[in-house]
Amino acid sequence: GENVEQHPSTLSVQEGDSAVIKCTYSDSASNYFPWYKQELGKGPQLIIDIRSNVGEKKDQRIAVTLNKTAKHFSLHITETQPEDSAVYFCAASGYSSASKIIFGSGTRLSIRP
Amino acid sequence: DVKVTQSSRYLVKRTGEKVFLECVQDMDHENMFWYRQDPGLGLRLIYFSYDVKMKEKGDIPEGYSVSREKKERFSLILESASTNQTSMYLCASSSPGGAGGDEQFFGPGTRLTVL
Repeated sequence: GENVEQHPSTLSVQEGDSAVIKCTYSDSASNYFPWYKQELGKGPQLIIDIRSNVGEKKDQRIAVTLNKTAKHFSLHITETQPEDSAVYFCAASGYSSASKIIFGSGTRLSIRP
Repeated sequence: DVKVTQSSRYLVKRTGEKVFLECVQDMDHENMFWYRQDPGLGLRLIYFSYDVKMKEKGDIPEGYSVSREKKERFSLILESASTNQTSMYLCASSSPGGAGGDEQFFGPGTRLTVL
């Protein structure tokens, strides 16, 4: 079955700098790659996603890139702000999974003032 | 505003007790999921359901069962709670969009401690 690995497990960046979180997946049939953000005391919430027919997608300060050949995908946050502090999860799913998503182990991002 | 609610935010139970975790969604979603979240392990799928009275095992179903008698409600049952089931439990729902991959909406979680 699908396996998703996520790095780093913790990340601390200066406010205003960029943050990058990387994930790899094992199942070449996966075609949907969402990213979720979990703030303290809340459930995860989708922030951006990308499908396999697209190499990059951007939404204001966040962007996701996908390299299907290498089975890598990454989340990029630019001009980080204190409210970006949270746990971020990457995930993958495919046509055959019927909406089942496999999550990475999470990255705790801290923004230093 | 879409909503997934879970019956308790915090729960403390004794070893051997039967535990019920309830989840309700108001979005008329077909799919519902139960995950447990542990530090360094991410979200692991316990059980999921694509329809009323339908259930499928996830990656870690041992020690758990589920019930879905109504579309909006999905219950997780720990038949005999054990200390290794101390964890954060998250419920989610989604509506099938077709070509694989649907946004899941999560509840706030239930932190269960088994003593």
